[in-house]
Amino acid sequence: SQTIHQWPATLVQPVGSPLSLECTVEGTSNPNLYWYRQAAGRGLQLLFYSVGIGQISSEVPQNLSASRPQDRQFILSSKKLLLSDSGFYLCAFTYHPNPEAFFGQGTRLTVV
Amino acid sequence: AQTVTQSQPEMSVQEAETVTLSCTYDTSESDYYLFWYKQPPSRQMILVIRQEAYKQQNATENRFSVNFQKAAKSFSLKISDSQLGDAAMYFCAYRSYNAGNMLTFGGGTRLMVKP
Repeated sequence: SQTIHQWPATLVQPVGSPLSLECTVEGTSNPNLYWYRQAAGRGLQLLFYSVGIGQISSEVPQNLSASRPQDRQFILSSKKLLLSDSGFYLCAFTYHPNPEAFFGQGTRLTVV
Repeated sequence: AQTVTQSQPEMSVQEAETVTLSCTYDTSESDYYLFWYKQPPSRQMILVIRQEAYKQQNATENRFSVNFQKAAKSFSLKISDSQLGDAAMYFCAYRSYNAGNMLTFGGGTRLMVKP
């Protein structure tokens, strides 16, 4: 069966420090991968999506970047965190022929 | 671009009663998918139900059913016999057949269940 792993679950980082959140998928090949951010009590904002290795599309200009070094690995990064980067980050994937997305357990990021 | 609107930030229901959550969307496409996701306090996103736009029959999953009105671009979720475990944020989502198959989410509705 298909599964998704996202880590870490929680992270507290100082302003100006780097960030690396990782997400891996098991049980399927060539998934579409997504990073979403969710502000407290709010909806999900799509940050990045990828349809293949090295193919990244950005939905919102920001302080973050994404990379897909392997077929089932998706990384969210920042060189210097801002206070406004605090939030809940969710990784998700879809795979053919299923139309629904499957989500990781999320990372709660607090920038202090 | 597609947009999804949930006009009810919060709803409450008495245990064992029925509640309906509203969702409208805007699209120029004819083929797409619609979903309802549940996010409990753990914040894990859980798929509740999905609807294919080409299907006229409304989807049903146990106590959960939808009222899909394609012409009106409306997709409401009905929860029957509400249980305490139904308390959560509920998100309506749209997925195109194209454009990288991204999901677009509504702002969510917080459902409270009163014992």
